[in-house]
Amino acid sequence: DAGVIQSPRHEVTEMGQEVTLRCKPISGHNSLFWYRQTMMRGLELLIYFNNNVPIDDSGMPEDRFSAKMPNASFSTLKIQPSEPRDSAVYFCASIPGQGAFGELFFGEGSRLTVL
Amino acid sequence: AQKITQTQPGMFVQEKEAVTLDCTYDTSDQSYGLFWYKQPSSGEMIFLIYQGSYDEQNATEGRYSLNFQKARKSANLVISASQLGDSAMYFCALRNTPLVFGKGTRLSVIA
Repeated sequence: DAGVIQSPRHEVTEMGQEVTLRCKPISGHNSLFWYRQTMMRGLELLIYFNNNVPIDDSGMPEDRFSAKMPNASFSTLKIQPSEPRDSAVYFCASIPGQGAFGELFFGEGSRLTVL
Repeated sequence: AQKITQTQPGMFVQEKEAVTLDCTYDTSDQSYGLFWYKQPSSGEMIFLIYQGSYDEQNATEGRYSLNFQKARKSANLVISASQLGDSAMYFCALRNTPLVFGKGTRLSVIA
């Protein structure tokens, strides 16, 4: 079975450019999470969706960040305009349901470098 | 608010020996889950073991076991018979919804 698929795996861009990260959750999973990992702050939850609806976006750092989930099989995280401090690894993860206590299935991450 | 604390930034262990990675948590929820993930240098997040708050027995998965002490709010990971491939970052996480991660412990296994 295919796992959580993220693209691109690596992105290098210049400050001010728009960045779009993509995620395809595991089929049948109803909840999707976006995490950011940096050396300084560790793994931070940015936003999560249940049944395509954003439930908690309190972790989104500022208005430059936005996330959408137009359908059950696709989500995007957009940064516009990007800044060097946005450089991080961005993980997408999914689980079968919001109340499920099983493991979170992670994608391989998208490593973003903003110059 | 939910909180996870991993007090050991780095640990060293001799190959074939056992090692315990500490994790304490704070939550007011009665029902929750505790997870451990491994992140090797390649970057992926690998699920290791899960303990539910109502599970009476400590979880075990191969060489991994979770020493769950609910009254003390601790969920330490024990790795038996360490291998060189166990060198990685290890994250403890607490879940009601969503998953909250600790800062991690970097484990280095020495030959």
